[in-house]
Amino acid sequence: GENVEQHPSTLSVQEGDSAVIKCTYSDSASNYFPWYKQELGKGPQLIIDIRSNVGEKKDQRIAVTLNKTAKHFSLHITETQPEDSAVYFCAASYTGNQFYFGTGTSLTVIP
Amino acid sequence: DVKVTQSSRYLVKRTGEKVFLECVQDMDHENMFWYRQDPGLGLRLIYFSYDVKMKEKGDIPEGYSVSREKKERFSLILESASTNQTSMYLCASSSGVGFSNQPQHFGDGTRLSIL
Repeated sequence: GENVEQHPSTLSVQEGDSAVIKCTYSDSASNYFPWYKQELGKGPQLIIDIRSNVGEKKDQRIAVTLNKTAKHFSLHITETQPEDSAVYFCAASYTGNQFYFGTGTSLTVIP
Repeated sequence: DVKVTQSSRYLVKRTGEKVFLECVQDMDHENMFWYRQDPGLGLRLIYFSYDVKMKEKGDIPEGYSVSREKKERFSLILESASTNQTSMYLCASSSGVGFSNQPQHFGDGTRLSIL
């Protein structure tokens, strides 16, 4: 089955700096890659996703890039704010029924 | 907005008890999922269902069963609770049939402690 690795496990940045989280996947058939943000006491919420026919997608301060050849994808958050502090999960899927999640990155934005 | 509601935020049960975790979604989604979330392990899929009365095993189904009698409701059952089932349980739903990739929408989780 698919194996998704996520790095780093923890990340601290100064407010206003950029944050980058990277994931690799093993199954070349995977074609859908969502990113989730989980705040304390809440369930994960989708923040951005990308499909394998696209190399990059942006939504305001967040962007995701996908390199199918290398089988990795990354989340980029620019101009970080304290409310960006949360745990972020990447995931990969090729069936829509089974998603494989990374182990999460705890992001802390220092005011 | 999609709403996935898990019946309990916190639950404490005893070893050997039969435990029911309930999940309801209000968006007429075909697919529903149960995950457990443990520190350092991410989210691991226990079971999923793509239709009423249909179920498929995920990566860690041992010790669990599920029930989906109505489209909006998906129940996770711990047949005989054990301490190693202490965890955060997350329910999710998504639209789409077959192999279409649609994002999952999660509930806020049930933190289950087995004593």
